Amino acid sequence: AQTVTQSQPEMSVQEAETVTLSCTYDTSESDYYLFWYKQPPSRQMILVIRQEAYKQQNATENRFSVNFQKAAKSFSLKISDSQLGDAAMYFCAYSPAQRDKIIFGKGTRLHILP
Amino acid sequence: EAQVTQNPRYLITVTGKKLTVTCSQNMNHEYMSWYRQDPGLGLRQIYYSMNVEVTDKGDVPEGYKVSRKEKRNFPLILESPSPNQTSLYFCASKPGAPSVTQYFGPGTRLTVL
Repeated sequence: AQTVTQSQPEMSVQEAETVTLSCTYDTSESDYYLFWYKQPPSRQMILVIRQEAYKQQNATENRFSVNFQKAAKSFSLKISDSQLGDAAMYFCAYSPAQRDKIIFGKGTRLHILP
Repeated sequence: EAQVTQNPRYLITVTGKKLTVTCSQNMNHEYMSWYRQDPGLGLRQIYYSMNVEVTDKGDVPEGYKVSRKEKRNFPLILESPSPNQTSLYFCASKPGAPSVTQYFGPGTRLTVL
C-alpha cells in the first residue's frame, strides 16, 4: 500500500532561522509526484512546492526547497529565513503519475517563534 | 478568478437531517474530489469523479453520496449525518491526467450534534 509518513507532529523554529520538515513515503511505482501543501489558520490548502520523481534536481520556490532522495523514499521540506506567516500545518502528499489519486501524510504543525 | 468554491463554509446540524455541501469550479477541470480532514489523520479521500457522470469511492466513502451531473459541480450529500461525520471537508479539482496538481476549495466545517 502507498503511504506517506510525517514523523514530526509539531515543530518550532525561531524567526529568521531555517527549519526542515521530514516526510517519507512508500510506493512500488517508479513515476510519481510529491507535494508539500501549507494550511494556515484560514484552513485554505496552498500548494507550496511540487517534485517530479523523474527529475533528480530538487525543486525550489523562493525560501522553500526540498531534499528529494528517491532511493530512500524521502522528501523533506526546508524553509529558510522563517517568517511569522510560515506558521501553519504542512502536509506532505504523494500522487502516482497517470492516476488521479493523492495520498496525504498526517501533517506537521509548524510554530514560528518571534 | 480561477477558483473552487464550497457552500456553506460552516454548518451545524443534527443527527439524521439530510444535508448537501456544494462544490463548484470555474476552471473546466475534469477531475473533482472530496476529502475530509480530521486531527491526527490528515486528509482522506471520500469520493472522486473523473468526469461528468463518472464517480468512484475513495478511502472513506461510507455515509456519503456524490453526483456529477455537470462538469463544474460536485455536491457532497450526507443522507443521514452522524456525529462521526463531524469534520472539515475539502473539495478539490484538477485537469485530467497527466496533470496532478489539485486545487482546493476553502473548506466546510461541519458539526453534527
